[in-house]
Amino acid sequence: DVKVTQSSRYLVKRTGEKVFLECVQDMDHENMFWYRQDPGLGLRLIYFSYDVKMKEKGDIPEGYSVSREKKERFSLILESASTNQTSMYLCASSLRGTGFPEAFFGQGTRLTVV
Amino acid sequence: SQQGEEDPQALSIQEGENATMNCSYKTSINNLQWYRQNSGRGLVHLILIRSNEREKHSGRLRVTLDTSKKSSSLLITASRAADTASYFCATAFYGNNRLAFGKGNQVVVIP
Repeated sequence: DVKVTQSSRYLVKRTGEKVFLECVQDMDHENMFWYRQDPGLGLRLIYFSYDVKMKEKGDIPEGYSVSREKKERFSLILESASTNQTSMYLCASSLRGTGFPEAFFGQGTRLTVV
Repeated sequence: SQQGEEDPQALSIQEGENATMNCSYKTSINNLQWYRQNSGRGLVHLILIRSNEREKHSGRLRVTLDTSKKSSSLLITASRAADTASYFCATAFYGNNRLAFGKGNQVVVIP
């Protein structure tokens, strides 16, 4: 079974802190994604990566950066956490194919910024 | 950005009944996918239907796709309490290496 593991289920951070959310997948997938999920807004794409050291901005990249130094690991970085970044963060991975294949999700990290 | 939009947003049904959800989108797609999310958890892939397919089945799930109307429906037959979850449609567009998700559709199955 494909496994996507996010480093924390729950996280509480202070405003202004630098926050790292880690995601690891074990199926050699090329694509990795970070979404945030907020009530009434669905899932919104923050950043994605289709290869090591490659990244592309999603729909809401402001205030975030990412790092992909190894194929299996994709990190989301909040440079200076703010209260409006309190949210559920979801990592996903998928194979890269001619059609867009199914995505596999981690269990989510619920981040609270106080 | 284009997104799938589910309708209705919330559905409450009795166990054993069928649940139907609809999703609309705005532009040509490569495929459309449905996901389930149990409360506070990650999303789980349910079914994928390609743009050249009209109907697909997987167990108690039936998905239809009407590309002329740019819409899809997900039918869950003989619902169970364990089907209580949020259901999301997601669209994959040509030349775009990402999935665009709708806002989700909450289904409550009453035992």
